[in-house]
Amino acid sequence: GAVVSQHPSRVICKSGTSVKIECRSLDFQATTMFWYRQFPKKSLMLMATSNEGSKATYEQGVEKDKFLINHASLTLSTLTVTSAHPEDSSFYICSARDFGRTSNQPQHFGDGTRLSIL
Amino acid sequence: SQQGEEDPQALSIQEGENATMNCSYKTSINNLQWYRQNSGRGLVHLILIRSNEREKHSGRLRVTLDTSKKSSSLLITASRAADTASYFCATDGDRKLIFGTGTRLQVFP
Repeated sequence: GAVVSQHPSRVICKSGTSVKIECRSLDFQATTMFWYRQFPKKSLMLMATSNEGSKATYEQGVEKDKFLINHASLTLSTLTVTSAHPEDSSFYICSARDFGRTSNQPQHFGDGTRLSIL
Repeated sequence: SQQGEEDPQALSIQEGENATMNCSYKTSINNLQWYRQNSGRGLVHLILIRSNEREKHSGRLRVTLDTSKKSSSLLITASRAADTASYFCATDGDRKLIFGTGTRLQVFP
């Protein structure tokens, strides 16, 4: 089945550091990738939709300058948390989808990145 | 933005019992999907039901969809301890997936 690889799985860094998270679709071309954030014991909140070759669409309340998204190829999207602070600590999950296929298809999720800012 | 609510928020049952989770949503959808998440991990897709379908089965899973009530249910029959996880419904509309609040299921051996 379709596989999405997310890296790194865990990051611990100091406040003020910028952190980059990669999301790769391994065996299909992902025309669209999604970035979610999840707080402990809570649901997934959609942060942004990333379309290959164009600017990401951010959900209301998500700071685009804080969370930079790049989707330069059909198999790779990156999320950079700029100048991270403790309140940015969270579990970030990406997912990928091939809209070239029929619309009624599941999304494929990475295993997530646990970000801890000290 | 959060699309919908799930209930119960938490459910504890014994192995062999059935588990039912309910999901309500607010807007029109193309399909509704159920996912499972083990603690600290990514999501695993369980089942997708299209807006023109009313019921779907996959192994021990049974999903219903009532678009007039904007609700869905997931039934896990003959539960096992390995079914312990969080379960989320997600509505697919406007080319993005929006998740419900989730149900934490604990199955005791």
